[in-house]
Amino acid sequence: AQSVTQLDSQVPVFEEAPVELRCNYSSSVSVYLFWYVQYPNQGLQLLLKYLSGSTLVKGINGFEAEFNKSQTSFHLRKPSVHISDTAEYFCAVSALDDKIIFGKGTRLHILP
Amino acid sequence: EPEVTQTPSHQVTQMGQEVILRCVPISNHLYFYWYRQILGQKVEFLVSFYNNEISEKSEIFDDQFSVERPDGSNFTLKIRSTKLEDSAMYFCASLSGAYGNTQYFGPGTRLTVL
Repeated sequence: AQSVTQLDSQVPVFEEAPVELRCNYSSSVSVYLFWYVQYPNQGLQLLLKYLSGSTLVKGINGFEAEFNKSQTSFHLRKPSVHISDTAEYFCAVSALDDKIIFGKGTRLHILP
Repeated sequence: EPEVTQTPSHQVTQMGQEVILRCVPISNHLYFYWYRQILGQKVEFLVSFYNNEISEKSEIFDDQFSVERPDGSNFTLKIRSTKLEDSAMYFCASLSGAYGNTQYFGPGTRLTVL
């Protein structure tokens, strides 16, 4: 079975500052890792995914994440946030062709 | 880009009524899923469907829930007798099954049970 832990329920950050949203996972099998974003009153949008290969994954909107197998982490980063990045961010895992297990989410607050 | 569609976008129903949530997955996809998100909480897996049968279901997916792919294009979630706690956003997703592919999510149906 897989599980995902997002340690921070809310992260406030000033506009144009860098941000890191933390995610740790556990699994007994190889997994795919994902970050999804959910803007207020909207659905889920895939930011990026890690399947294999390079551990640094670049996604949309300037986000990137680094897979660290030894630390079982998949932290999301952005060097400079904008007000439009205000949203809920979900880390998620799945095994091949399997259901997706989501973390509880981190709400990103951009401060002016 | 192909997309998963869901109807209706918002459904309001009385407790005890039956509801059917509809999804049109991407046409060449083989795996289908329903997830739900209670307001302010995380997204939870409900059920997966492959080859015209349920392949896995969570403990949430009790006898009040059923899924169907009635005509090869639609994928439906039925709740037989809705409860207040069924109020949530319900997301449909589909997956092609090709290596490296990921699930595509629909925009969701917000179900409100009064």
